[in-house]
Amino acid sequence: AQKITQTQPGMFVQEKEAVTLDCTYDTSDPSYGLFWYKQPSSGEMIFLIYQGSYDQQNATEGRYSLNFQKARKSANLVISASQLGDSAMYFCAMREYGYGGATNKLIFGTGTLLAVQP
Amino acid sequence: KAGVTQTPRYLIKTRGQQVTLSCSPISGHRSVSWYQQTPGQGLQFLFEYFSETQRNKGNFPGRFSGRQFSNSRSEMNVSTLELGDSALYLCASSGDRGSTDTQYFGPGTRLTVL
Repeated sequence: AQKITQTQPGMFVQEKEAVTLDCTYDTSDPSYGLFWYKQPSSGEMIFLIYQGSYDQQNATEGRYSLNFQKARKSANLVISASQLGDSAMYFCAMREYGYGGATNKLIFGTGTLLAVQP
Repeated sequence: KAGVTQTPRYLIKTRGQQVTLSCSPISGHRSVSWYQQTPGQGLQFLFEYFSETQRNKGNFPGRFSGRQFSNSRSEMNVSTLELGDSALYLCASSGDRGSTDTQYFGPGTRLTVL
């Protein structure tokens, strides 16, 4: 069964430093997408970055990059030059494309609470 | 372009009542998905609607239902509310034009059942 695992319940990082948030996944579908979302205390889920299973290069979006290691089934989020506003909960999610027909259903991990310290 | 909107933002109900939550997707998006977020169970998929048809359903009891209108706006209904239904309900919309389509979330409706 599809599953997303985030093993870091919480992390601290100093402002301006880089931080890596871990995510591993499990799926038997060869076609899938991996997403990272940020959820501030206000509750809204903010899309950060996407990686497709067939993408040859790691995705990057500004200060966010995704370290995609397909053989290890990991999709770690790297935030460079952390800012105070990066303090939030971060969720890794997966969408499968091949089995069960078309769907936008996302499976989420349990999240990592990131605290950026000045 | 306006984002996903959800109304109301906050709701307080008592056990046994029913509630209807509304979601307006991003203009042009035809897929709307609903998620429940609780401290104990995390984020769980409720159901997805595409072109007024339910395309996928999560593992929730029949008290949870939804529908989608021709303008892609969606509603979800929870009948006979239980204390455990207290949660943040998130709606997400997607263009569904391809495998890279991203789901964009609304601000959520925070439901408290007393």
